[in-house]
Amino acid sequence: DSGVTQTPKHLITATGQRVTLRCSPRSGDLSVYWYQQSLDQGLQFLIQYYNGEERAKGNILERFSAQQFPDLHSELNLSSLELGDSALYFCASSPREGLIETQYFGPGTRLLVL
Amino acid sequence: TQLLEQSPQFLSIQEGENLTVYCNSSSVFSSLQWYRQEPGEGPVLLVTVVTGGEVKKLKRLTFQFGDARKDSSLHITAAQPGDTGLYLCAGERNTGNQFYFGTGTSLTVIP
Repeated sequence: DSGVTQTPKHLITATGQRVTLRCSPRSGDLSVYWYQQSLDQGLQFLIQYYNGEERAKGNILERFSAQQFPDLHSELNLSSLELGDSALYFCASSPREGLIETQYFGPGTRLLVL
Repeated sequence: TQLLEQSPQFLSIQEGENLTVYCNSSSVFSSLQWYRQEPGEGPVLLVTVVTGGEVKKLKRLTFQFGDARKDSSLHITAAQPGDTGLYLCAGERNTGNQFYFGTGTSLTVIP
């Protein structure tokens, strides 16, 4: 158990819909990362927040957005869903120790868009 | 194209055999990490290497960071069925606060 929690574990929805994925980082971790993992693309970095502020952006679509709240939990919002958005979405948190980032991954949310 | 290429992509070996997984890039990384991921779960960090040429050992696993900090290898001695999983390398670049994951190596150790 990494200490990172993600809800829901599974999500099935239809094209065009909007969903929200939630992540609670490990106690004391200030950084939250979101990743998308699909069979053909591997693990792709989407976005990172640090203490409520966006720090880095990866391959995140404009239809996707995220935020980190004052209590440090984070939400990833996916809108106008397409079939290709079906994937595992992972959140990871990091304590930001020195210059080396150590990421602890949550169990993931499996999204299926029908 | 992926910034970090791993080889082989798939590997199936008998219990007791040795194996090496490679993680290569043309870019320099400030640190490189290796993860193992089991089906339905998130990746779990195995090791972080920071210095060029650094070698770290974790029981039967040996990790090496290339001298130029562009590549890395993971060597497993006497593989066991419990080593089965997806092995991912991930590099952090100096220019941004972002991790780049490799393409992954799926390892199956047959009893």
